[in-house]
Amino acid sequence: AQTVTQSQPEMSVQEAETVTLSCTYDTSENNYYLFWYKQPPSRQMILVIRQEAYKQQNATENRFSVNFQKAAKSFSLKISDSQLGDTAMYFCALRDFNAGNMLTFGGGTRLMVKP
Amino acid sequence: DGGITQSPKYLFRKEGQNVTLSCEQNLNHDAMYWYRQDPGQGLRLIYYSQIVNDFQKGDIAEGYSVSREKKESFPLTVTSAQKNPTAFYLCASMGQSSEDYEQYFGPGTRLTVT
Repeated sequence: AQTVTQSQPEMSVQEAETVTLSCTYDTSENNYYLFWYKQPPSRQMILVIRQEAYKQQNATENRFSVNFQKAAKSFSLKISDSQLGDTAMYFCALRDFNAGNMLTFGGGTRLMVKP
Repeated sequence: DGGITQSPKYLFRKEGQNVTLSCEQNLNHDAMYWYRQDPGQGLRLIYYSQIVNDFQKGDIAEGYSVSREKKESFPLTVTSAQKNPTAFYLCASMGQSSEDYEQYFGPGTRLTVT
């Protein structure tokens, strides 16, 4: 069975600063995707960034980047130049190709960006 | 506009009643999913369907049922057998080609059972 663990239930950061959210996972598969989703107060799930396990290069999307350590099964999200609109729940998720492409989610990290 | 719709946004039911949550997509996606989210927690998979007339149980299927008679629709029934049905329910869909990697989520339905 796959598991995803987010060890930081809550975090806060000052506007314009950088924050890193942690995620560790466990899977017996060699080929998989990892994702970070954002859930703002509206509760709409929004894809922030994805990483293919076969790619060594860390994914980057504007102010969002990941540190993917495959051997350590670690997948952290770095948010640079934090903005008030980044305030949300952030979920790390693992996609299993063998089980209908289902997603296994971590418990989430609540991020508060302070002015 | 292509997307996923869930209705209603808020739903209230009395204990012992079955209730059906709607999920419709016009993205022409083959796969559809139902997730449950409890306060302060991540999403857990209830059921998923990769093709019309076929569906599979997820991690927490007990007390729930689904149908997939049309590609566009994947309704979820919360039965009276579900011990703790009050939660936020999210529907998602995804294409099945090798280029599809993202699950697209609907806006969710908040179900309250008293």
